[in-house]
Amino acid sequence: AQSVTQLDSQVPVFEEAPVELRCNYSSSVSVYLFWYVQYPNQGLQLLLKYLSGSTLVESINGFEAEFNKSQTSFHLRKPSVHISDTAEYFCAVSEKTSGSRLTFGEGTQLTVNP
Amino acid sequence: EAGVVQSPRYKIIEKKQPVAFWCNPISGHNTLYWYRQNLGQGPELLIRYENEEAVDDSQLPKDRFSAERLKGVDSTLKIQPAELGDSAVYLCASSLVGHLNEQFFGPGTRLTVL
Repeated sequence: AQSVTQLDSQVPVFEEAPVELRCNYSSSVSVYLFWYVQYPNQGLQLLLKYLSGSTLVESINGFEAEFNKSQTSFHLRKPSVHISDTAEYFCAVSEKTSGSRLTFGEGTQLTVNP
Repeated sequence: EAGVVQSPRYKIIEKKQPVAFWCNPISGHNTLYWYRQNLGQGPELLIRYENEEAVDDSQLPKDRFSAERLKGVDSTLKIQPAELGDSAVYLCASSLVGHLNEQFFGPGTRLTVL
C-alpha cells in the first residue's frame, strides 16, 4: 500500500516570493505522481503529473515539480507566486500496478498575501 | 463542455436518516469515482466504476453505504442510516478508461450530520 505525506499544512507567503510545497511518498512499487489544486468552492483540478521520462514536470501557470526517486519526493515549486495562486494543493500517488486508485496527502493550504 | 455535475451541493440531516448524492460524469467518460474528503484531509476513494461495473469497492463501508451506476452513466451514492462521523465532502470524479487518464472532479456535496 502507498501513502503520501505533505509536510506543511499551511504555507503563507508574500506575493512574488518563491514557494515550495513538500511531498513525500511511500510505496513498494513504481508509482505515478500528481499535484492537484483546489480553489475555494471548486473541485480539484490536475496541476501536473509525472508518469515517466524527465523527472522535472511543469504546469501551464508556472509551477514545476521534480520527481526524486532516491528521496521518494515530489516537491512543488514556483519561483514567483501571485495572489490568485491561493488555494489548497494536494499531492497524490498511484501505483503503476493498481489501476486508477489515487492516494492523496492531507493537503497544503497556500496563502499568498499582498 | 460541461464538467462533472453533482447534486445537491449541501445537505444537512439528522443522524439515522438516509441521504443520497447524485453525480453525472463528463460525457464519454466511462470511469466514475466516488471519494470522501474529511475536514483537513485529502480525498479517499470509496468506489470506482468501469461503465456499470464496480471494479474497486474495497474502501466502501458496505454496512451503510451503497452505490449504483445502472446504465453506466450517472451514479448515486447512498448512506442509510447516516452517522455523525459521515459528515464530510463527497466528491465524484470521472475519467476515460485507463489509469493514466486525468480524473476530473466535481464540486462535491458537503454533508453535515447532526
